[in-house]
Amino acid sequence: AQSVAQPEDQVNVAEGNPLTVKCTYSVSGNPYLFWYVQYPNRGLQFLLKYITGDNLVKGSYGFEAEFNKSQTSFHLKKPSALVSDSALYFCAVRDIKTDKLIFGTGTRLQVFP
Amino acid sequence: GAVVSQHPSRVICKSGTSVKIECRSLDFQATTMFWYRQFPKQSLMLMATSNEGSKATYEQGVEKDKFLINHASLTLSTLTVTSAHPEDSSFYICSAKKVGLDTGELFFGEGSRLTVL
Repeated sequence: AQSVAQPEDQVNVAEGNPLTVKCTYSVSGNPYLFWYVQYPNRGLQFLLKYITGDNLVKGSYGFEAEFNKSQTSFHLKKPSALVSDSALYFCAVRDIKTDKLIFGTGTRLQVFP
Repeated sequence: GAVVSQHPSRVICKSGTSVKIECRSLDFQATTMFWYRQFPKQSLMLMATSNEGSKATYEQGVEKDKFLINHASLTLSTLTVTSAHPEDSSFYICSAKKVGLDTGELFFGEGSRLTVL
């Protein structure tokens, strides 16, 4: 079965510092991986996806993610965090058979001024 | 863009009443929409898959008679919480799969917060 794991419930980082939000996956076959962000009382916004091609994927708001097949990871990164990046981040994998997105448990990112 | 609109964004109702939440894809067609429920500080729980013109497919443990889903057109799916009780209070989010887009990306509504008194 397809699954993703987000090992950190919360990540704290100072503004201007680089940030990493971790995600590991377990799939059969080639993975379709996604990152979404959720602000309070809002729906999810798409950040980026990996389907195939370059392992480094660039997305919205300066975020990027690195697909690492050997480590089965898809960590979300940003070189310089902003206070406005504070939100809940979800990693997800597509179940090819059903088109469902399987979400991780989410990681709350807190960026301090 | 691919915009999904949910209405209402907030609703408060009395116990025992029914509440309908609409999910519309504004600028694209969606044969498949998904309904999720999210509890405070938790992840999204998939409730059901809504397919245009056919019956919804419910996840295990979700009562289909309690959460009625209708997908009558390629741009509209509705979730009706019947005989709502306080334990049904939650944040409900829909997402839509764009026809012709096979990357797996889903487009999400802004969510609907239901409070049952």
